Amino acid sequence: GAGVSQSPSNKVTEKGKDVELRCDPISGHTALYWYRQSLGQGLEFLIYFQGNSAPDKSGLPSDRFSAERTGGSVSTLTIQRTQQEDSAVYLCASSLRIAGANEQFFGPGTRLTVL
Amino acid sequence: QKEVEQNSGPLSVPEGAIASLNCTYSDRGSQSFFWYRQYSGKSPELIMFIYSNGDKEDGRFTAQLNKASQYVSLLIRDSQPSDSATYLCAVNKNYGQNFVFGPGTRLSVLP
Repeated sequence: GAGVSQSPSNKVTEKGKDVELRCDPISGHTALYWYRQSLGQGLEFLIYFQGNSAPDKSGLPSDRFSAERTGGSVSTLTIQRTQQEDSAVYLCASSLRIAGANEQFFGPGTRLTVL
Repeated sequence: QKEVEQNSGPLSVPEGAIASLNCTYSDRGSQSFFWYRQYSGKSPELIMFIYSNGDKEDGRFTAQLNKASQYVSLLIRDSQPSDSATYLCAVNKNYGQNFVFGPGTRLSVLP
């Protein structure tokens, strides 16, 4: 596809349930990022994947959050035992990551609501 | 001190004026700097990036970087109502490593 895609666009779940959010990066982009944005707030870095390297998980807020990237392309962010404070828009971005050109391109986001 | 700071605004300017958006960062090792625009309910879109001290111009937009002062700004000339959005400053410490975003400045261009 031409851009980063994410699914679902909206997800409503009950507290305590697990959710999976999907990101398809731009073809050929080696770097993939997950961010969280709460209403009216800035972007909170969650996790970063670069090629076959170990991911940078330093932004994950708790061990209920995990992510994987299969085959260097599609990524899934999993939130276990969701809490109401997990409600936010989850944004995925990808970049080519070559010297001097590592700007990120964002997907449309998944709006997660935990009831 | 937060890693990347911006005035939250709102910054209001009349149509046709110059809008000046500022960003400061704490890590002197930061390498690259990005400005994103985010309309309400939409995802961020890249406006400009800058790596070297000085000015970089692209159409109505000019990014200014001063690494000694740890300061990066975005000027929008001939502001239009369609420029009304939140502007996010992002700082990248190492090429390819994680980015740190500022909280954003909300700009309102009044017709």
